[in-house]
Amino acid sequence: GAVVSQHPSRVICKSGTSVKIECRSLDFQATTMFWYRQFPKKSLMLMATSNEGSKATYEQGVEKDKFLINHASLTLSTLTVTSAHPEDSSFYICSVRGLGNTIYFGEGSWLTVV
Amino acid sequence: TQLLEQSPQFLSIQEGENLTVYCNSSSVFSSLQWYRQEPGEGPVLLVTVVTGGEVKKLKRLTFQFGDARKDSSLHITAAQPGDTGLYLCAGASSGGSNYKLTFGKGTLLTVNP
Repeated sequence: GAVVSQHPSRVICKSGTSVKIECRSLDFQATTMFWYRQFPKKSLMLMATSNEGSKATYEQGVEKDKFLINHASLTLSTLTVTSAHPEDSSFYICSVRGLGNTIYFGEGSWLTVV
Repeated sequence: TQLLEQSPQFLSIQEGENLTVYCNSSSVFSSLQWYRQEPGEGPVLLVTVVTGGEVKKLKRLTFQFGDARKDSSLHITAAQPGDTGLYLCAGASSGGSNYKLTFGKGTLLTVNP
């Protein structure tokens, strides 16, 4: 069964609104989660590392005020895309760091901003 | 910043052919992982290589980690249409709180029947 669950799998929002994507670790507590962005037929681009109980660490070029990450519990991290624009449309994937540094990926969330 | 150069970026072959995907870096990684991804889904881990010079086989797939742990290759023998997908290599930084994966650009493989 799935180890990591993302919700929603697909979301359409209007330009200027905010949308939240959830990433849940189902089988174990995860102190570290990762958020990636992926364009069609392209590789994964790490956006930020989400640390439980502390601020996320953002990669260079990623706007922390636009992509808000909250890791309030050991099983849940959320990514909120604020004031969404059509160029924010993308496939967003989270991953969880498990035992032995094994990385488990969620199913991904398609965001379309219209 | 650690970078992974993955090649080729696109590969279209006929069923039954062999292929090799390369992943190279100037940096040393604590481990290197290979993933396969279907459209609209998350990546699925194929293998993790940790030791320099390590070779792992997964049915028709052979993975190799360079002696210096800076490069890796994925070789597929007698490719089948079911092998079609996006193949990603990812290098892992050292453990601890700074652990993270750096992905190559991916190889989009199409195996034609």
